[in-house]
Amino acid sequence: DIQMTQSPSTLSASVGDRVTITCRASQSISNWLAWYQQKPGKVPKLLIYKTSSLESGVPSRFSGSGSGAEFTLTISSLQPDDFATYYCQQYNSYLFGGGTKVEIK
Amino acid sequence: QVQLVESGGGLVKPGGSLRLSCAASGFTFSDYYMSWIRQAPGKGLEWVSYISSSGSTIYYADSVKGRFTISRDNAKNSLYLQMNSLRAEDTAVYYCARGAGSLLVWGQGTLVTVSS
Repeated sequence: DIQMTQSPSTLSASVGDRVTITCRASQSISNWLAWYQQKPGKVPKLLIYKTSSLESGVPSRFSGSGSGAEFTLTISSLQPDDFATYYCQQYNSYLFGGGTKVEIK
Repeated sequence: QVQLVESGGGLVKPGGSLRLSCAASGFTFSDYYMSWIRQAPGKGLEWVSYISSSGSTIYYADSVKGRFTISRDNAKNSLYLQMNSLRAEDTAVYYCARGAGSLLVWGQGTLVTVSS
């Protein structure tokens, strides 16, 4: 079975920082990978689909990249609204990563 | 507007059953795969099940296989999740979502608590 490992589990950063979150699969998963943002008590919000496609309405400071078994979500300049938990999702095997909580430093 | 509204959650004893419903509106329900995803308190997301637009293709996570049954009624624009033999570890917010790939549309979720 494919396993998805997301790192780090927690990240402390400041407004304006460049932030990178990594999602690693135990085997190659093509590019069927998405990223979500979830705030406490809220529904997950789709940010990126198919590895690097930005969902409509999502700020361009969010970007996704990767291939094979390693993928990244990058926030180019962290904004106050970006403090949240982020999940990767591999939708060939219907798996979510464990999540990365982005906290204020 | 596109909307998904879950219902049917609540408190149930271990070994009990519950049926969740998800009412869809604002889009052609019969055109879309549909999924159930759950999130235990303070934990991450887990894909529970999906069903194809016609109902002919179904997936279950190993954690629920044999206990949960997904179904849909395209005439009623509704998705269902029948949950039997519930365990404490099934306690979670259950979301329905449109699709079985990247998930753009989610319901607000319904809380299922399994406790004696």
